[in-house]
Amino acid sequence: DAKTTQPTSMDCAEGRAANLPCNHSTISGNEYVYWYRQIHSQGPQYIIHGLKNNETNEMASLIITEDRKSSTLILPHATLRDTAVYYCIVNNNDMRFGAGTRLTVKP
Amino acid sequence: DSGVTQTPKHLITATGQRVTLRCSPRSGDLSVYWYQQSLDQGLQFLIHYYNGEERAKGNILERFSAQQFPDLHSELNLSSLELGDSALYFCASSVTTGGNTGELFFGEGSRLTVL
Repeated sequence: DAKTTQPTSMDCAEGRAANLPCNHSTISGNEYVYWYRQIHSQGPQYIIHGLKNNETNEMASLIITEDRKSSTLILPHATLRDTAVYYCIVNNNDMRFGAGTRLTVKP
Repeated sequence: DSGVTQTPKHLITATGQRVTLRCSPRSGDLSVYWYQQSLDQGLQFLIHYYNGEERAKGNILERFSAQQFPDLHSELNLSSLELGDSALYFCASSVTTGGNTGELFFGEGSRLTVL
């Protein structure tokens, strides 16, 4: 089973920031947090990952709490094309995906 | 283009039959992962190979088997097919295994329909 908990679905207005939470309370010290998204039935796409520090790239920002038990993926200016299922996974040997959060960006 | 190639893209077969799905990882990637995604379901991890060796096994049925060859391509064999095996099968590859798996690169998937 996946080691993360995410809300089933979220809505976001176009142009606003989308904040997607993830709980991973059993994370081990050397496990990374990864975020992927899947648009319709395409292959999942890597977004970002981190260990302890906050991370930012051209797609998103990742905020990890100090105790590392939760994280938030931030899409700073959501567009309609960001509508997708977003998966938060904790790295281990098998990279198990949970059910993810279905983000719907609305005009 | 992720660099991961999966064939065939679409496959229609009958119950009781056997099929083989093929995955060519990105150049240099030693790890291959297989996932199953049924209609409107999440990604179910099946199995992980690293440099020819099985590293982790997930919810893979006994009717299913996989292997990774010396050239690092991988095959997923599905036998005695049932209607419920109809799904998208994704392959992903990454550079490393262990403490930090690294970014997974996914193929476009093989859509299997069992009639």
